[in-house]
Amino acid sequence: KAGVTQTPRYLIKTRGQQVTLSCSPISGHRSVSWYQQTPGQGLQFLFEYFSETQRNKGNFPGRFSGRQFSNSRSEMNVSTLELGDSALYLCASSLQQGPGGEQYFGPGTRLTVT
Amino acid sequence: AQSVTQLDSQVPVFEEAPVELRCNYSSSVSVYLFWYVQYPNQGLQLLLKYLSGSTLVKGINGFEAEFNKSQTSFHLRKPSVHISDTAEYFCAVSEYGGYNKLIFGAGTRLAVHP
Repeated sequence: KAGVTQTPRYLIKTRGQQVTLSCSPISGHRSVSWYQQTPGQGLQFLFEYFSETQRNKGNFPGRFSGRQFSNSRSEMNVSTLELGDSALYLCASSLQQGPGGEQYFGPGTRLTVT
Repeated sequence: AQSVTQLDSQVPVFEEAPVELRCNYSSSVSVYLFWYVQYPNQGLQLLLKYLSGSTLVKGINGFEAEFNKSQTSFHLRKPSVHISDTAEYFCAVSEYGGYNKLIFGAGTRLAVHP
C-alpha cells in the first residue's frame, strides 16, 4: 500500500506570495492532519480534516487555510507569505476517526520564503 | 491545556549502550501517549503508543516505554542502541474524546557513536 505523498517536496517563494501544498493520504484513510515544523517552534498542529470537514484548528493566523476533497486528498494554502512561514509542512493520515490511532506521516514539503 | 516536555534536547551515547529518553506531560484530562522518530529528510514514524492497560509498552526496533501516571511521564528506553538509531525522537499526546490532534514535545536528538 502506498504511503502518504506530499507535493511538491521543495518550494521557494517570495514574501507576499501565496502557496498551495498538496497531500494524498493512504488509501482508505479519511482523516488528514497538517503540522508545521520549524527549528524554533518545533512541531505545531495546523488543522485536521475528516470527510471534507475541518474538525480542529491550531493557533495559526487566518492566512493558513486548508480543504479536503471527496477522495480525501487535502490541500493547505498560505496567503501573503512571511519569512517566518519557512518550515517543513507535514501531512499525516489516519484510518481512525478518533484519537489514539496511528497517524502516518508523509515526507513533508520544505517551504522556503525569501 | 496540554503540554509535553522532553527533558533532554540531545543525548549522545555509544553503540550497544542502553539509552533512556525522558518525556513528561501535563494535561487536565486523560491522554493517549506516543513516541515518534524522525530520520533526516523524512517524515515521522510511530515507534509505540500507550492507550490503556499495561503501563509497559513495546514498540518497533527494540524500543519500549513506561507510562507513569503519578509522575505524568512516558520515558522511552532501549537496552542496546545501534548506529542506525541516530535520529530525532518526539514524544506526543492526544486528548481522550478529542480528534487526531497531536501535541509534540520539542524533540530529543539521539546521537549514537561507534
